[in-house]
Amino acid sequence: GESVGLHLPTLSVQEGDNSIINCAYSNSASDYFIWYKQESGKGPQFIIDIRSNMDKRQGQRVTVLLNKTVKHLSLQIAATQPGDSAVYFCAENIHGLSETSGSRLTFGEGTQLTVNP
Amino acid sequence: DGGITQSPKYLFRKEGQNVTLSCEQNLNHDAMYWYRQDPGQGLRLIYYSQIVNDFQKGDIAEGYSVSREKKESFPLTVTSAQKNPTAFYLCASREGRVQETQYFGPGTRLLVL
Repeated sequence: GESVGLHLPTLSVQEGDNSIINCAYSNSASDYFIWYKQESGKGPQFIIDIRSNMDKRQGQRVTVLLNKTVKHLSLQIAATQPGDSAVYFCAENIHGLSETSGSRLTFGEGTQLTVNP
Repeated sequence: DGGITQSPKYLFRKEGQNVTLSCEQNLNHDAMYWYRQDPGQGLRLIYYSQIVNDFQKGDIAEGYSVSREKKESFPLTVTSAQKNPTAFYLCASREGRVQETQYFGPGTRLLVL
């Protein structure tokens, strides 16, 4: 199953299928990206990250792809399980304008992933 | 949730009342952040602090105040000037200026009576 982020915030897949969650980011100067998983009523959990000098990074059952040309990020989850059901957020890191303002994350609106047994 | 704690889990505010949300971390992280999350929406940055005794406004700072007197603590006060305070409030911390990954606490849900 595949989502298109802002235009399709809900993704429903069958257990065992692969899931693809998409995200369009806004700032071409962003140099670092993170995917978070948030279960209902809980804080977001770090899943995987990628720097702008890479186009692919793999973790355990997850892969993040970065296409800087079109400012697009995707999260692929292999063999999706019911425990993967959650809202998934992408975030881009933007450095502050000064040394003291540091960096900050800007979050997308999220995609609700539902895994059907 | 790691080493970030938020309290209380639920908080009720009366009209005209200021309330303070607690955020503590034992990760020795330099930077700390406060976000607001409304139902079905993403996270919006309220305030953040890179070092002790310094903090910057985020995108929605109006009606909120913070302090950073200790490295491990970053309390958020929701003042009576915040007319729509009902939301899920999330605190996060980050190791340093180079490491960008933020780690989140479990959140505090604020409701208005």
